[in-house]
Amino acid sequence: KNQVEQSPQSLIILEGKNCTLQCNYTVSPFSNLRWYKQDTGRGPVSLTIMTFSENTKSNGRYTATLDADTKQSSLHITASQLSDSASYICVVSDRGSTLGRLYFGRGTQLTVWP
Amino acid sequence: EADIYQTPRYLVIGTGKKITLECSQTMGHDKMYWYQQDPGMELHLIHYSYGVNSTEKGDLSSESTVSRIRTEHFPLTLESARPSHTSQYLCASSDSNDNEQFFGPGTRLTVL
Repeated sequence: KNQVEQSPQSLIILEGKNCTLQCNYTVSPFSNLRWYKQDTGRGPVSLTIMTFSENTKSNGRYTATLDADTKQSSLHITASQLSDSASYICVVSDRGSTLGRLYFGRGTQLTVWP
Repeated sequence: EADIYQTPRYLVIGTGKKITLECSQTMGHDKMYWYQQDPGMELHLIHYSYGVNSTEKGDLSSESTVSRIRTEHFPLTLESARPSHTSQYLCASSDSNDNEQFFGPGTRLTVL
């Protein structure tokens, strides 16, 4: 069964600190992995998209890594800000159908305190 | 910011009412999607469309229906709302290459 598991489920950090969120998946065949940020009551917004051949990709203070061999990804947030408080969702796409089906994790709820 | 819009943003209605959730995108995307998301849970695909006059059911069984008469418009209808339909409904679209799905802001539906 194709699955996406994220850890931790929730995380509280102080403003200015760094943090790393984890994503493990079993989706096969793999097409790409995406990290989304979802603010409360809003739709998800894409942060990064990585294909099989990409090991790391950055978007400002967000850096995602991908190990396609171990089927693991991480999202590192540097110098956190209050506005980083949100749910971070790992999404994996397969190549098993023309739909390019997406498999969603449940997200890590990040809270940044002043 | 993605050019995909959903209305209404919040809706509180009584049981048995018929409702339509609107979704429009101005990016010319062929593919559109409806997801259902409960608090703290993952998104579940309930409907998708490859293009005009194409609609398919997703992974999660839903009593809602959709239509795709125009490329930019993908409304979702519930003929008779029930409390079990209370959830957040997210609309998304992508181009033919599925490079990225762009999400709307969502509709928070509460059925009393």
